[in-house]
Amino acid sequence: DIQMTQSPSSLSASVGDRVTITCRASQSISNHLNWFQQKPGKVPKLLIYAASSSQSGVPSRFSGSGSGTDFTLTISSLQPEDFATYYCQQSYSTPWTFGQGTKVEIK
Amino acid sequence: QVQLQESGPRLVKPSETLSLTCTVSGGSVSNGNYYWNWIRQPPGKGLEWIGYIYYSGHTNYNPSLKSRVTMSIDTSQNQFSLKLSSVTAADTAVYYCARQWELHNYFDYWGQGTLVTVSS
Repeated sequence: DIQMTQSPSSLSASVGDRVTITCRASQSISNHLNWFQQKPGKVPKLLIYAASSSQSGVPSRFSGSGSGTDFTLTISSLQPEDFATYYCQQSYSTPWTFGQGTKVEIK
Repeated sequence: QVQLQESGPRLVKPSETLSLTCTVSGGSVSNGNYYWNWIRQPPGKGLEWIGYIYYSGHTNYNPSLKSRVTMSIDTSQNQFSLKLSSVTAADTAVYYCARQWELHNYFDYWGQGTLVTVSS
């Protein structure tokens, strides 16, 4: 199985801050990396697919980059509605696997 | 608009079989562009992929659960189902069904999720 490791596990930030979350794969996955946002009690929402492509309707402040084993999700200017848990997920080979999540909290 | 809805018992006894069905509306499970997945999330924890089924009946299960998982698809009812046998408390989780687009392999539509508790 491909292990996905996110860092940090949690972070505190203020509205307007630039936030970066890192995801590392245990082996190369090319660009087969997706990012999801999950709010408490809600369904995960796809933000980014293929490492850097934005899903339709996702605000432009969300961006993704990386390839191979190292990937980042960046929120350019954190908004109140962005406080949530973020998961990366590899779609290179089954079993599809997720990172452990990064919880973004209000500072 | 595609919608997925999980249904099934919310309480299952240890050692018994968990059974869930996902009903799809606004789209067809017979569409060969998609895989139909089950994903779960224990309370307060992360996401775990259980497996998928294709319209043809082809399945792909997570090896960690493979010995206990069976998925099926009913194209006439536009539904697909999950059975997980010999459950324990560790199987208590929110179970989601989700559509996966074959082209980019991402989960684009999810059901709302259903909490299944394993307890006597």
